[in-house]
Amino acid sequence: AQTVTQSQPEMSVQEAETVTLSCTYDTSENNYYLFWYKQPPSRQMILVIRQEAYKQQNATENRFSVNFQKAAKSFSLKISDSQLGDTAMYFCASRIYTNAGKSTFGDGTTLTVKP
Amino acid sequence: DTGVSQNPRHKITKRGQNVTFRCDPISEHNRLYWYRQTLGQGPEFLTYFQNEAQLEKSRLLSDRFSAERPKGSFSTLEIQRTEQGDSAMYLCASSTGTTQETQYFGPGTRLLVL
Repeated sequence: AQTVTQSQPEMSVQEAETVTLSCTYDTSENNYYLFWYKQPPSRQMILVIRQEAYKQQNATENRFSVNFQKAAKSFSLKISDSQLGDTAMYFCASRIYTNAGKSTFGDGTTLTVKP
Repeated sequence: DTGVSQNPRHKITKRGQNVTFRCDPISEHNRLYWYRQTLGQGPEFLTYFQNEAQLEKSRLLSDRFSAERPKGSFSTLEIQRTEQGDSAMYLCASSTGTTQETQYFGPGTRLLVL
């Protein structure tokens, strides 16, 4: 069974600053994907960034980057130059290669970007 | 591409009543997923379809829950004899079914059982 843990229920950051959201996971599989999703208030969830477990290079998408530590089973999200529109709930999730359907999500971190 | 749509967006019902939700995936997406999200928690997987075939069901999906995707396009999720514990956001997602698929989520249907 897979588990995903997000230990920070709430975080805040000043506009234009950098913030890091933590995520740890547990799986017995070697091949899996990791994701960060963003769920703005009253809006639908969208994918922020994904990481394939076999890739050592950390994924980046514009202001968003991850720190993937496979041995430690850690997958943190760094948001640089935070913007007011980044205010949302952020979910970390995992999915093993051989199970196309089931993603396992953490309980989320509510991020507030303050002006 | 209009995205994943779900109807209704909100549903209030009395305990014991049946409810049905609909999900319309992105055109040509052959995988469709249902998740349930309760307040303060992340989405929990319920079931998924590859075209019209239901390939996996979570243990969360009790006998009162049934999902269909009759023609491999839209899907319905029915809850019979609703209970207060069924109150949650029900999320639908779809994907192309390729190896590196991305799941695209709909806005969800928020159910409140009184």
